Amino acid sequence: ETGVTQSPTHLIKTRGQQVTLRCSSQSGHNTVSWYQQALGQGPQFIFQYYREEENGRGNFPPRFSGLQFPNYSSELNVNALELDDSALYLCASSLSGSYNSPLHFGNGTRLTVT
Amino acid sequence: DQQVKQNSPSLSVQEGRISILNCDYTNSMFDYFLWYKKYPAEGPTFLISISSIKDKNEDGRFTVFLNKSAKHLSLHIVPSQPGDSAVYFCAASAVGNQFYFGTGTSLTVIP
Repeated sequence: ETGVTQSPTHLIKTRGQQVTLRCSSQSGHNTVSWYQQALGQGPQFIFQYYREEENGRGNFPPRFSGLQFPNYSSELNVNALELDDSALYLCASSLSGSYNSPLHFGNGTRLTVT
Repeated sequence: DQQVKQNSPSLSVQEGRISILNCDYTNSMFDYFLWYKKYPAEGPTFLISISSIKDKNEDGRFTVFLNKSAKHLSLHIVPSQPGDSAVYFCAASAVGNQFYFGTGTSLTVIP
């Protein structure tokens, strides 16, 4: 069973730039969620994708956008980066349609905005 | 507005003893709860879950208790081992797509 993989592991960007983070879901999972974890905080829900459509969104501005592909992999795009976007970005996959399916996380991408 | 709270930032326990990690929530619509363990430089690892129709769920050394009237859940680890030293997060969901996480409790198991 292949787990959730994320790339890159670390990234440094400058304020105002754009970034794309990538995620491959665990085999057998059809739903991908993205979370932001700031230092000393718990993960915060950004959005979820199911059947290539956004299926729920947290309190994040529109400059955070995503995609899900037919193979269930996903991308998180952030435009016009701000210093506060510096965080660990976690991708999690799950099995939608199976009520009460836990999230399975990747190791995250550490984004630093300078 | 923090809907899930872990009020103890840290906990130290002797090896072999019981570790009890606590979590409180405010939203009575939450019906599915998860516990995760996180090591540095790794993503959270799923440990155990409980749905609101139960008040207890066990998996090996890990037991989760849910008290719906008090909006409180706890994770018991017995016996605690040094490898259990990590940050533990509780999470809750009402509709299955968005999970709310606590801020975590750092557990140290002393050999």
